[in-house]
Amino acid sequence: GQQLNQSPQSMFIQEGEDVSMNCTSSSIFNTWLWYKQDPGEGPVLLIALYKAGELTSNGRLTAQFGITRKDSFLNISASIPSDVGIYFCAGHPSGTYKYIFGTGTRLKVLA
Amino acid sequence: DSGVTQTPKHLITATGQRVTLRCSPRSGDLSVYWYQQSLDQGLQFLIQYYNGEERAKGNILERFSAQQFPDLHSELNLSSLELGDSALYFCASSVGKANTEAFFGQGTRLTVV
Repeated sequence: GQQLNQSPQSMFIQEGEDVSMNCTSSSIFNTWLWYKQDPGEGPVLLIALYKAGELTSNGRLTAQFGITRKDSFLNISASIPSDVGIYFCAGHPSGTYKYIFGTGTRLKVLA
Repeated sequence: DSGVTQTPKHLITATGQRVTLRCSPRSGDLSVYWYQQSLDQGLQFLIQYYNGEERAKGNILERFSAQQFPDLHSELNLSSLELGDSALYFCASSVGKANTEAFFGQGTRLTVV
């Protein structure tokens, strides 16, 4: 079945640094979304992407829908301690109603 | 607040028992999705309903079932519970069948003892 692989799995960064993470699939996706989840909470939607090549920002976050439709990238600029959490990519593979999630990137910010 | 309501927040039950988790979607949303998240794991897609009909099925066990009612709320039924079913169960809702943004509830933490 479709799988979404995220990298890196986890990362420690210093406050103020920029962060990059990505999500790849062997299947074509029609939609890419990025979520952040805090411990014990539900995922919160950060950015939604609907077209190949689309680049969208939300404050310090920027995400792009890969041109091949098989990948997406999320960048966080000037990280702050509250950026700590798990970041998930998610999306709808072409030809299916399934809404599947990636394996997650666990971010830890050192003050 | 995402507008998606899940009850109960916590549930502790014994092996072999049956429980029902409830989800009320955001106003106007027709799709409901259910996910299972075990400790420190990702979100496993279980099932999706759109306007009362099942639209997609993931890795949902035969012991689990779900439905969406005419008022669009949804229930996930888990039966013959095993220790390994202990997890966070999330519900999400979206306006459309696919390619739309989904918003998550706060989850139900199920502990099977």
